[in-house]
Amino acid sequence: NAGVTQTPKFQVLKTGQSMTLQCAQDMNHEYMSWYRQDPGMGLRLIHYSVGAGITDQGEVPNGYNVSRSTTEDFPLRLLSAAPSQTSVYFCASSDDSSGANVLTFGAGSRLTVL
Amino acid sequence: AQSVTQPDIHITVSEGASLELRCNYSYGATPYLFWYVQSPGQGLQLLLKYFSGDTLVQGIKGFEAEFKRSQSSFNLRKPSVHWSDAAEYFCAVGATGTGGFKTIFGAGTRLFVKA
Repeated sequence: NAGVTQTPKFQVLKTGQSMTLQCAQDMNHEYMSWYRQDPGMGLRLIHYSVGAGITDQGEVPNGYNVSRSTTEDFPLRLLSAAPSQTSVYFCASSDDSSGANVLTFGAGSRLTVL
Repeated sequence: AQSVTQPDIHITVSEGASLELRCNYSYGATPYLFWYVQSPGQGLQLLLKYFSGDTLVQGIKGFEAEFKRSQSSFNLRKPSVHWSDAAEYFCAVGATGTGGFKTIFGAGTRLFVKA
């Protein structure tokens, strides 16, 4: 049981490049989400999904796209990377889509945009 | 709008001393409240949660938290801190969104433990 797996762990991009951060979970969790973590700002929700085919925006969605074609995968796409997107990204999942959901986190992906 | 405030960016305590980390939330209904801990270079791990019932909840690693509705607070406490408790601590609230519920985090409090 791997839990929540994020790839890559580290990535360096140039401004304007695109990339996808991968997130996969093997716990059959319906709820998945993406956060970014910046110093002094805690974790801010980018996008989340309550099931396959359903996504919604969080606090800071601009510059990011998501899709949820399967229960297991929830990729985060940066279409045109900007230095402001330098951050550590965490994917999290839960078996509960209510406010009582306890999140299981991946180990994080550190992205640097030059 | 829902929000979580952790007023202390960092706290330093001596090993063996007691600890209290503050958390205030803004939410219109009865909240679901959480404390998560993040060790350096790691993802977040749940310490404890409050959904309903007894307002004093126990968590892992000897932590506890008390929900006070009148103060909109959910402070985290530990009677005796160990050096291994040095980490960043996040308070969070389960909140409603257009697609369902989502978890909103505070900015975090970094705990330093001195010998």
